[in-house]
Amino acid sequence: EAQVTQNPRYLITVTGKKLTVTCSQNMNHEYMSWYRQDPGLGLRQIYYSMNVEVTDKGDVPEGYKVSRKEKRNFPLILESPSPNQTSLYFCASSFTVTQGLYGYTFGSGTRLTVV
Amino acid sequence: QKEVEQDPGPLSVPEGAIVSLNCTYSNSAFQYFMWYRQYSRKGPELLMYTYSSGNKEDGRFTAQVDKSSKYISLFIRDSQPSDSATYLCAMRVDRGSTLGRLYFGRGTQLTVWP
Repeated sequence: EAQVTQNPRYLITVTGKKLTVTCSQNMNHEYMSWYRQDPGLGLRQIYYSMNVEVTDKGDVPEGYKVSRKEKRNFPLILESPSPNQTSLYFCASSFTVTQGLYGYTFGSGTRLTVV
Repeated sequence: QKEVEQDPGPLSVPEGAIVSLNCTYSNSAFQYFMWYRQYSRKGPELLMYTYSSGNKEDGRFTAQVDKSSKYISLFIRDSQPSDSATYLCAMRVDRGSTLGRLYFGRGTQLTVWP
């Protein structure tokens, strides 16, 4: 089944404890992206990657890191999480060229709480 | 000003009603227009897309794009309780440095009651 898989689905952590949210897609998509979704603010892009070893900042990159060493994986790293990073996170992927036809495929989300 | 504006609602309608959801945008370079549906505790899923101006129909759903007014709409006919979800509009350019990036509205929360 074609899908984007995020792990974990739920995570509660303490301020300052480094964490990684994994994202993997099995559709050979070039483009991958991380979003956070907050009430009243909608989806905001954190980082995106056009292909392997090519990453760039989105609208809200502060406090986050990413890497794209393999085409299928795009982990999101929080080096020192803070409570304002409590949010619902989504990973998404697509074919860059035909994206207009198929849009993004989203993962099921990771609910992160930082206390 | 956000590039894509969408009234968050909430919108509550009885079963069978016609629902109209709308977004406005400011970037005239947007060429692809999409609607995503997001059920509670799920990721958004692509519902419909259109390229440039015009209408597109798929079952009970119709997407309209009016580029002259920078306005897009999604109509849901004979709405069902299973249509209860948050609907997000999204759009993108078709070339340039931002190719690949989708710009989302904040989403409209819809409830269809039986």
